[in-house]
Amino acid sequence: GESVGLHLPTLSVQEGDNSIINCAYSNSASDYFIWYKQESGKGPQFIIDIRSNMDKRQGQRVTVLLNKTVKHLSLQIAATQPGDSAVYFCADFTGRRALTFGSGTRLQVQP
Amino acid sequence: DAMVIQNPRYQVTQFGKPVTLSCSQTLNHNVMYWYQQKSSQAPKLLFHYYDKDFNNEADTPDNFQSRRPNTSFCFLDIRSPGLGDAAMYLCATSSGTGFSPLHFGNGTRLTVT
Repeated sequence: GESVGLHLPTLSVQEGDNSIINCAYSNSASDYFIWYKQESGKGPQFIIDIRSNMDKRQGQRVTVLLNKTVKHLSLQIAATQPGDSAVYFCADFTGRRALTFGSGTRLQVQP
Repeated sequence: DAMVIQNPRYQVTQFGKPVTLSCSQTLNHNVMYWYQQKSSQAPKLLFHYYDKDFNNEADTPDNFQSRRPNTSFCFLDIRSPGLGDAAMYLCATSSGTGFSPLHFGNGTRLTVT
């Protein structure tokens, strides 16, 4: 089975609010995690990544938090915009150079 | 300035008729991947090449094959497509060194009639 999973299939937020998308993983050997955004009809687009020796990493309007104790990963999007509406996947590497995806969360931004 | 290019964007084939999907990259990356993504599901890895070294996933059907004639190109061959093979097929690349993300193309949507 997949080593990465998500709690919520759909998240609806108001424009301007902060969004938090959560992800649980099961493989304690996972050493590298990536969040991808996928818009309809397009391939996954890299958002941010984090290595297992870190617990937080920030990008432009996005922050990824990693809690290895409970095997939990989250993506925070600040001041969510309509253009953020998409499906978000977390994914992990376990040293095989191959990426395993979680089941995805659809983010809907309400104007 | 697309870096991972998949052709065609849409492909229609008949049940049982062989089909080939193409992927090219301008990143000079060592690793090329093929993923299958069905509607409302996560991408699922079929196989990947590290240079010329082919790595097949254990649950990838024998019906799916791949070729990588050079660094830039990789092909997905479906020998006898079934209705269940209708999906989006995503190609991706990575440098394969250190901790590096995958870069995806925009996929080929395969329809089987």
